[in-house]
Amino acid sequence: GQQLNQSPQSMFIQEGEDVSMNCTSSSIFNTWLWYKQDPGEGPVLLIALYKAGELTSNGRLTAQFGITRKDSFLNISASIPSDVGIYFCAGRQGNTGKLIFGQGTTLQVKP
Amino acid sequence: ETGVTQSPTHLIKTRGQQVTLRCSSQSGHNTVSWYQQALGQGPQFIFQYYREEENGRGNFPPRFSGLQFPNYSSELNVNALELDDSALYLCASSLAITGVRDTQYFGPGTRLTVL
Repeated sequence: GQQLNQSPQSMFIQEGEDVSMNCTSSSIFNTWLWYKQDPGEGPVLLIALYKAGELTSNGRLTAQFGITRKDSFLNISASIPSDVGIYFCAGRQGNTGKLIFGQGTTLQVKP
Repeated sequence: ETGVTQSPTHLIKTRGQQVTLRCSSQSGHNTVSWYQQALGQGPQFIFQYYREEENGRGNFPPRFSGLQFPNYSSELNVNALELDDSALYLCASSLAITGVRDTQYFGPGTRLTVL
């Protein structure tokens, strides 16, 4: 099925470092969402973006809706061990309820 | 916690059997979407239900079907199970289907294994 291009696939960083990941598409989206999923759990919503250019923060997390509406990025500042998990971007086109997901970025944090 | 619950948590079936998975949406939500997540992949949209009607379907065969009940809970039924149906099945609930602010909140999922 259709997926967004999410990068990097995985990251192994030191506690305290900042992290950046992004999601791109050849198509336009009108909503971008970022989720975090722990093993054996469902995705948990981190940040929702609804307008091109929108920059939104949630604690140490910051995400932006790209001005072209074809990309989004997520930054995590001062990473901590509990940031470990798989981060997914998801986008919606048009007025449908269908979310299209990226392949995920696996984040590992070394204490 | 999102308030979205799913049952059962795990299920083992054999090829050719039928399975029913259940989802209770978050209080105040009227829309349920189902996703299939294969190991190491992002979730793939199966379909969405609003006001007890299917409202949008992904690239899944007709043996994947669903129901939504008046209390907004939902079922996913899969007939003639195949080995490739082994996956985590996720249910997501949301408040409305119109407009861009239809933010979906996921349940913990049901892990289906087909032998």
